[in-house]
Amino acid sequence: ETGVTQTPRHLVMGMTNKKSLKCEQHLGHNAMYWYKQSAKKPLELMFVYNFKEQTENNSVPSRFSPECPNSSHLFLHLHTLQPEDSALYLCASSHDRSGGLTDTQYFGPGTRLTVL
Amino acid sequence: AQKVTQAQTEISVVEKEDVTLDCVYETRDTTYYLFWYKQPPSGELVFLIRRNSFDEQNEISGRYSWNFQKSTSSFNFTITASQVVDSAVYFCALLLNSGNTPLVFGKGTRLSVIA
Repeated sequence: ETGVTQTPRHLVMGMTNKKSLKCEQHLGHNAMYWYKQSAKKPLELMFVYNFKEQTENNSVPSRFSPECPNSSHLFLHLHTLQPEDSALYLCASSHDRSGGLTDTQYFGPGTRLTVL
Repeated sequence: AQKVTQAQTEISVVEKEDVTLDCVYETRDTTYYLFWYKQPPSGELVFLIRRNSFDEQNEISGRYSWNFQKSTSSFNFTITASQVVDSAVYFCALLLNSGNTPLVFGKGTRLSVIA
């Protein structure tokens, strides 16, 4: 398997559920990203991990909790979400050996999340 | 602050027509990178091209070509002899070299190619 993979591809959850999104990259990259893509809005960067350290948190509500156990895996833990959190959640990775986050980002297929 | 504008929200063309997707960017930095991504209905953002701000040479890859003009801050994308498989949302994006700044995306242009 190559590239960036995400599971599950589709998720329906209630507002009281707890679920996790998983992202795995097979590219040997050092940086990983979570983006949110809502209908009719530009892609929003949520979190950035560089060499497993979180370097960016764009004022994301605490009901979204990222985890990066190693440079190949990234999780997004979800709890007590709201219907407006329904969106496509995209994971990306970039090489960025120098840590400057200027390399090309490669994206996974996304998880389409519906919150009822 | 940097910004990317894709003024065309939706474009429809008939198969085999040529189509140009416009992208205008704003930044005060002199070193930056421009990108185009394709998002088919499956959802994945597929990387198409990356351009360094110091390299204004146009690029051609098969039916795809890109026109980078710093004088007008534009990075337009042309598909020649369009095909149904080109139907997707296309995003232009800007990344600064000045530090850990986010990749800024335009709102995308939805291209529909009709057989």
